Amino acid sequence: NAGVTQTPKFRILKIGQSMTLQCTQDMNHNYMYWYRQDPGMGLKLIYYSVGAGITDKGEVPNGYNVSRSTTEDFPLRLELAAPSQTSVYFCASSYSRLAGTYEQYFGPGTRLTVT
Amino acid sequence: AQKITQTQPGMFVQEKEAVTLDCTYDTSDPSYGLFWYKQPSSGEMIFLIYQGSYDQQNATEGRYSLNFQKARKSANLVISASQLGDSAMYFCAMREGHFTGYSTLTFGKGTMLLVSP
Repeated sequence: NAGVTQTPKFRILKIGQSMTLQCTQDMNHNYMYWYRQDPGMGLKLIYYSVGAGITDKGEVPNGYNVSRSTTEDFPLRLELAAPSQTSVYFCASSYSRLAGTYEQYFGPGTRLTVT
Repeated sequence: AQKITQTQPGMFVQEKEAVTLDCTYDTSDPSYGLFWYKQPSSGEMIFLIYQGSYDQQNATEGRYSLNFQKARKSANLVISASQLGDSAMYFCAMREGHFTGYSTLTFGKGTMLLVSP
């Protein structure tokens, strides 16, 4: 299993450009998440999905959009990139059983710089 | 109010010694889960240990143990016999609604641990 994969690993965007961060998992997890991590900070939830066709906002959704057309893929779209979106972006997935650990498995991250 | 508080921005420990990383949390939900993740300099997030709010015993995973004090709302990570490879950022995180299957996490700001020879 590859686990959670993210592309690209690095990207530099100019202000106002748009891009899509790709995320794929091969563990058949129902739940998927997008986080951002600013320097010296913890992770903040941008969007999450509990299954194909279902998404919801997290703590910091402004400036982003997501879609979930399949169980495996959960792309994150940045429209009109701003310097405040310079961050490291992590995609994660987890099981959806009712009790137990069900920890989140993280991708390697995408380092995005907006200048 | 912050849901997860890690008061130690940085900690230093010598190899082979034990170290405790502090984490306090705030929730009114009776069912919740607490996680610790390790983030080495390479950037990936590695799951270390989990404690459920109804678990009677403190969680242990190899050299990692979680000192869970429910009344104090603390969930400190104890690393025994530190190794150089333990040098990393450590994050405490909480999931509320333990039994719902709903699993978004709230993270603390992290503690940087440096292990010296």
